[in-house]
Amino acid sequence: KAGVTQTPRYLIKTRGQQVTLSCSPISGHRSVSWYQQTPGQGLQFLFEYFSETQRNKGNFPGRFSGRQFSNSRSEMNVSTLELGDSALYLCASSLGTGRAGVRETQYFGPGTRLLVL
Amino acid sequence: AQKITQTQPGMFVQEKEAVTLDCTYDTSDQSYGLFWYKQPSSGEMIFLIYQGSYDEQNATEGRYSLNFQKARKSANLVISASQLGDSAMYFCAMREGPILTGGGNKLTFGTGTQLKVEL
Repeated sequence: KAGVTQTPRYLIKTRGQQVTLSCSPISGHRSVSWYQQTPGQGLQFLFEYFSETQRNKGNFPGRFSGRQFSNSRSEMNVSTLELGDSALYLCASSLGTGRAGVRETQYFGPGTRLLVL
Repeated sequence: AQKITQTQPGMFVQEKEAVTLDCTYDTSDQSYGLFWYKQPSSGEMIFLIYQGSYDEQNATEGRYSLNFQKARKSANLVISASQLGDSAMYFCAMREGPILTGGGNKLTFGTGTQLKVEL
């Protein structure tokens, strides 16, 4: 099975711009979660999508949004970029059905490195 | 309070030796899952091993094993016979409760331990 793919791998933007990142989950996985990783704050949960609906949300401002398509692919969007948004954005996929309980494993993509100038 | 604490920012180990990476956690849930991930410099998070709160046996996956001490709320990762390719950042993470009724499909991560394997 192909793993989780993320595009683009690298992005450079300037303050005030917006950006869209894409994530394709493992085939058969319906849950996509997004995380932001920075040296200062570490790994933080942004949100999770399942069956085209946002099911969980972390503590991030409304500038961060996402969506999921019927094929489970997900996009996240950051509007009005700030310098502090420079980070590695990781997406993770899992089955999402809940049948595995706490055991459900998230599999991560290679990440998108965003630099805001 | 930190939910996941990894107290070793950096560790060195000689090739072929075993190394233990520490992880303590804090939760009031009875049902939770603990995960370890490896992150090489390329950035991708690689799943290594899982331990459930109700699992009676310590988890093992090849050269990786988990020293799970529930009463102490610790879930230390043991890597046996270290290899140069094991040099990476290692993260401990926790899911509290089942996806649908508990904390959702969200992992809380520790700050990580940078492991360097030397010849």
